[in-house]
Parts: sequence; C-alpha cells; structure tokens
Amino acid sequence: DAGVTQSPTHLIKTRGQQVTLRCSPKSGHDTVSWYQQALGQGPQFIFQYYEEEERQRGNFPDRFSGHQFPNYSSELNVNALLLGDSALYLCASSREQGLTEAFFGQGTRLTVV
Amino acid sequence: GQNIDQPTEMTATEGAIVQINCTYQTSGFNGLFWYQQHAGEAPTFLSYNVLDGLEEKGRFSSFLSRSKGYSYLLLKELQMKDSASYLCAVRDGDYGQNFVFGPGTRLSVLP
Repeated sequence: DAGVTQSPTHLIKTRGQQVTLRCSPKSGHDTVSWYQQALGQGPQFIFQYYEEEERQRGNFPDRFSGHQFPNYSSELNVNALLLGDSALYLCASSREQGLTEAFFGQGTRLTVV
Repeated sequence: GQNIDQPTEMTATEGAIVQINCTYQTSGFNGLFWYQQHAGEAPTFLSYNVLDGLEEKGRFSSFLSRSKGYSYLLLKELQMKDSASYLCAVRDGDYGQNFVFGPGTRLSVLP
C-alpha cells in the first residue's frame, strides 16, 4: 500500500503565477482534505472533497480551489500566488464511514518568490 | 471560534516521562487526535480519544476530559527518536476529517 502520495515534493513559483498540486489517497479512502502548514505552525484546513464535491471549506480565499476525480485523487489549485502562500501543503485521506484517523502525505513544499 | 492551545516547546531527558497538554475550544467535537511530525515529514497518527478517559498504546497514552476541554499526551521511556513536534487536533463536525490543529509542541529529547 503506497499510502497517500503527493506531487511534486518541492516547487518554486513567482508571485502572481498559478500552481497545481496533486494528491492520491490511500487505497480504500474516498475523502481528501487539504491543509496549509506554515513553518513552525500547525496545519490549517483549506477544504475537503468527497464524491467529487467540495464539502467543507476553511477560511481561505477563492484563489484556492480544488477538484476530486472519480478515482478519488485530488488537485489543489492556487491562483495569483502571494509570498504568504509559501508553505507546506498537506493532503490527508480517510474513509467516509467510521471515525477513522486521517493519513497524511509527505506534502508539497511551495516557495513563492 | 476555534482555539487550541499547547505549549510551544518542551525538553526532556532520554528514558524519562513527558506530558504534553492541550486545551481546546471548538464549535464542534467529534474526537481529539494526536499526531507526531518530524521535521520536514508528514504528520503520523498516534492516538485519539472520543470518550473521556485514558487510552494507552504502548509507550504513548492520551487522556481526554470533554467537560474541561482538555487532553494530554503522555510519552514514557523517552527515546531520542521521539524528538519531534506533537500536534493536538480536534475533529470538528459530523463527517469527514476536517481537523482543527493546535500550533504543535516541539519536543527535544536530550541524552
């Protein structure tokens, strides 16, 4: 079982550009959430996808959008990048049924210059 | 609002016991989770509590008091590899796994 996989692992973008991050959930998982983790802080919830729809959203602007595909994989898109978007972006997956823990991917380290 | 507090840093000696406290105030509650995160790596699940009381899992134990909005993670027989950040997270809501995370406690284990 490959667990949760994210790509790319590192990325450098220029202010104003757009970026797409990708996540494949753990086998058997159908729910994907995205988190932003600034250096030295805890992860902050961006949004969650289930059945290809955004089900819940945290306090992030519309520049942050996402998508979930029929195979449960997901993308996070960020438009008009700001320097403050530099962070570790974590994807977490779980099963909808039952109170289960979330499994996290290794994350994508995004640097905006 | 959503608020989770935990100490920023702690230091302990190899072989000792350390307790990391967490207090929370969240609009919803569907379980309290503890994750370990080594620098530059993904958070890994340690334990969770839904009901009040103590859950033991090897060298790690976690306690919950819902009435007090309080939890702690107890690490016994500390090893150097336990040096990491420990994240307290409340599962907020009736479905899915949207966690509200605390800032994390960076634990340094000294020889």
